[in-house]
Amino acid sequence: KQEVTQIPAALSVPEGENLVLNCSFTDSAIYNLQWFRQDPGKGLTSLLLIQSSQREQTSGRLNASLDKSSGRSTLYIAASQPGDSATYLCAANNAGNMLTFGGGTRLMVKP
Amino acid sequence: DTGVSQNPRHKITKRGQNVTFRCDPISEHNRLYWYRQTLGQGPEFLTYFQNEAQLEKSRLLSDRFSAERPKGSFSTLEIQRTEQGDSAMYLCASSPLAGGPYNEQFFGPGTRLTVL
Repeated sequence: KQEVTQIPAALSVPEGENLVLNCSFTDSAIYNLQWFRQDPGKGLTSLLLIQSSQREQTSGRLNASLDKSSGRSTLYIAASQPGDSATYLCAANNAGNMLTFGGGTRLMVKP
Repeated sequence: DTGVSQNPRHKITKRGQNVTFRCDPISEHNRLYWYRQTLGQGPEFLTYFQNEAQLEKSRLLSDRFSAERPKGSFSTLEIQRTEQGDSAMYLCASSPLAGGPYNEQFFGPGTRLTVL
């Protein structure tokens, strides 16, 4: 059974700092891994999708990497802004029909 | 089509009542998923449809829960005899059939259920 863990659970940084969010998973036989953003009380916004054959994906100030052999993914946020404050969730897809989510990292970027 | 839509956005009910939620996926998305998210946790998978067929159900989906997708378009999730432990955000997602399991899932805004 896939288990996904995100560390840290919460993170507070000053504006402008570069930061890394970590995601680990126990079953490396994944189809892909998705990173999501969730604002309080809202649904999930997909940020990046990394297929199992890929090493990384980039979108603007976001870069996600995937290391299947070690069961790890990281989300790098460059030059953080207060608008980046949200909960970030990673989810592994290794059954093809369901995502297994981590508990999320709650990020606060202070002006 | 602007994305996955869910109705209602909020539902408050008394324990023991039945509730029904609706999800409209992105047009032409054959795959539809339901997840449940409790406060401070990541979402958990409930069930999955491919067109009108319900192909997978989680053990979380007790006998009080039933999901349908009768015409392969919108889906409904019904909870009978609600309990306080059912209070959560219910999220719906969809993805296209082409590309199979490699596709990105797109999520709706969710329905927040509060059981008093």
